[in-house]
Amino acid sequence: SAVISQKPSRDICQRGTSLTIQCQVDSQVTMMFWYRQQPGQSLTLIATANQGSEATYESGFVIDKFPISRPNLTFSTLTVSNMSPEDSSIYLCSVDPSYGYTFGSGTRLTVV
Amino acid sequence: GNSVTQMEGPVTLSEEAFLTINCTYTATGYPSLFWYVQYPGEGLQLLLKATKADDKGSNKGFEATYRKETTSFHLEKGSVQVSDSAVYFCALSDQSGNQFYFGTGTSLTVIP
Repeated sequence: SAVISQKPSRDICQRGTSLTIQCQVDSQVTMMFWYRQQPGQSLTLIATANQGSEATYESGFVIDKFPISRPNLTFSTLTVSNMSPEDSSIYLCSVDPSYGYTFGSGTRLTVV
Repeated sequence: GNSVTQMEGPVTLSEEAFLTINCTYTATGYPSLFWYVQYPGEGLQLLLKATKADDKGSNKGFEATYRKETTSFHLEKGSVQVSDSAVYFCALSDQSGNQFYFGTGTSLTVIP
């Protein structure tokens, strides 16, 4: 199974600022996924990121708010832009399921 | 469409009690089914999975059987421990294998 390193593990941010979350994978993977887990809720897919192409966003998520980069087959970033308290969540990345159905350890974001 | 319905919690059990967390799903085709566990303050960990009908996934004393006739994947453990206290998520991966659909999670607390 692929091993995913995600950072930061947690952060407290001021409203109106932006935070970039990184995921590094120990294998070259075709697809990476970004999820959000709001407090007390389940996981919701934000977007799918393929290397070399624009990310595909799910309904309710837009690129201006959650820009994603995928510069190579082992790395991706998610930026949460112009944050508000409603963005306080755990953000997790995952990879193509053929690499073991693993998730990153998550980034716990609190916006104050 | 694809969806997962999971028994609502919270669930509180005494140590050594029997655990069942119900999970049913709706899916087209032949999904794979998963149970993930999230310990307090941590990310998601894959607990077990089953990729086809009648498969039984097992790990750390937990078991779940993929029942296509009842579209279910109930999680069971014969004797829970305090260390099993966590939130448990049932999930399915669609036939393409590219996206997860999660249940709402069931919080389990085991008391000594």
